[in-house]
Amino acid sequence: EVQLVESGGGLVKPGGSLRLSCAASGFAFSNTWPSWVRQAPGKGLEWVGRIKSKTDGESTDYAAPVKGRFTISRDDSKNMVYLQMDSLKTEDTAVYYCITSWSDWGQGTLVTVSS
Amino acid sequence: DIQLTQSPSSLSASVGDRVTIACRASQSISSSLNWFQQKPGKAPKLLIYAASNLQSGVPSKFSGSGSGTDFTLTISSLQPEDFATYFCHQDYSIPRTFGGGTKVDIK
Repeated sequence: EVQLVESGGGLVKPGGSLRLSCAASGFAFSNTWPSWVRQAPGKGLEWVGRIKSKTDGESTDYAAPVKGRFTISRDDSKNMVYLQMDSLKTEDTAVYYCITSWSDWGQGTLVTVSS
Repeated sequence: DIQLTQSPSSLSASVGDRVTIACRASQSISSSLNWFQQKPGKAPKLLIYAASNLQSGVPSKFSGSGSGTDFTLTISSLQPEDFATYFCHQDYSIPRTFGGGTKVDIK
């Protein structure tokens, strides 16, 4: 069974940093191109970024609002994907979902950026 | 970036109604359009992929159509469990984008 479990969310002050983790199990993680998608409270869905597989170069792509502040990485030996979030802004407050295919989502982890 | 415009943004319907939701892309995305259902407090659930393909395990009352810039999601006979918010999404190009959502509630 495919499982994605996010962790690392919480309350952080503007300008602060947070690292989210996503643990994957039940499938061949190393072949996937995981994405992060977020959803601000009461709002729609916003794609944050993705990382390609190692065999495809492990390159990353990001949405404009987070480019230069967020970094996605992966550790295939642990079946993990990470989202390092720096210089956080109040508008980054959202539930963050980890996705390895559009049919497989984690339960999400809430990040609140507030003073 | 490709913009996706959903209409309507909300609708009220009765059990048994046929419901259609539209999604228009700002440029052609071929058939690279997915539909999701989301209920409060839950992650989105994939219903339709590549415009018209029913995701495994999804009831056949859901159907999708369209290509290029205009797409529709149809629920043939609305049931109580279908009251939710529906999003379209394009995976044609980076950045991936989503429509603003259509909230379906009970009339």
